[in-house]
Amino acid sequence: GIQVEQSPPDLILQEGANSTLRCNFSDSVNNLQWFHQNPWGQLINLFYIPSGTKQNGRLSATTVATERYSLLYISSSQTTDSGVYFCAVPNTSGTYKYIFGTGTRLKVLA
Amino acid sequence: GAVVSQHPSRVICKSGTSVKIECRSLDFQATTMFWYRQFPKQSLMLMATSNEGSKATYEQGVEKDKFLINHASLTLSTLTVTSAHPEDSSFYICSARDSGSRTEAFFGQGTRLTVV
Repeated sequence: GIQVEQSPPDLILQEGANSTLRCNFSDSVNNLQWFHQNPWGQLINLFYIPSGTKQNGRLSATTVATERYSLLYISSSQTTDSGVYFCAVPNTSGTYKYIFGTGTRLKVLA
Repeated sequence: GAVVSQHPSRVICKSGTSVKIECRSLDFQATTMFWYRQFPKQSLMLMATSNEGSKATYEQGVEKDKFLINHASLTLSTLTVTSAHPEDSSFYICSARDSGSRTEAFFGQGTRLTVV
């Protein structure tokens, strides 16, 4: 099955810094989602991004499907950005079940 | 965006009892829903695919008799953890895909199960 790897696994930032999170996947995909898991466990949809670039406030994402990677950019980080970031891609066998990446655990220090 | 509601958000049960978790799509129909399990500091692991009106399909290594899934309507799937044991303690989360549109998935709030 498809493998999804994220880097870095852990990241510590000072408030106000910028960061780039990476998601690599082993096979062709027709879409990709980025999530932020908050301290209570809830998954917050950040981006649904099969290809190209999208921006939402301080966050933006780029997916280059032909090269099998996606990037999540966080600018001017805030302490509320802390948590775990996951990318997920669907298994294209027809069921669209999502396979999650290994995650990046982000901590933003005040 | 679409809303998926999961209930309960937290449950504590005694060993040997069964626990039911509900997953509802509130404003769309979902012929397919998915159940995930997450251990502390790990990623989400797909357990099974819930299919409306038919049997669920389980991922390799997931005990179908332990984790019973029922998808009786286009808006409701349930996961029952039967004869729970402490090792079943985990965070369970469901997702649903809008049957009528794109492949974006929406997730419930999750259920934290503690078996004592």
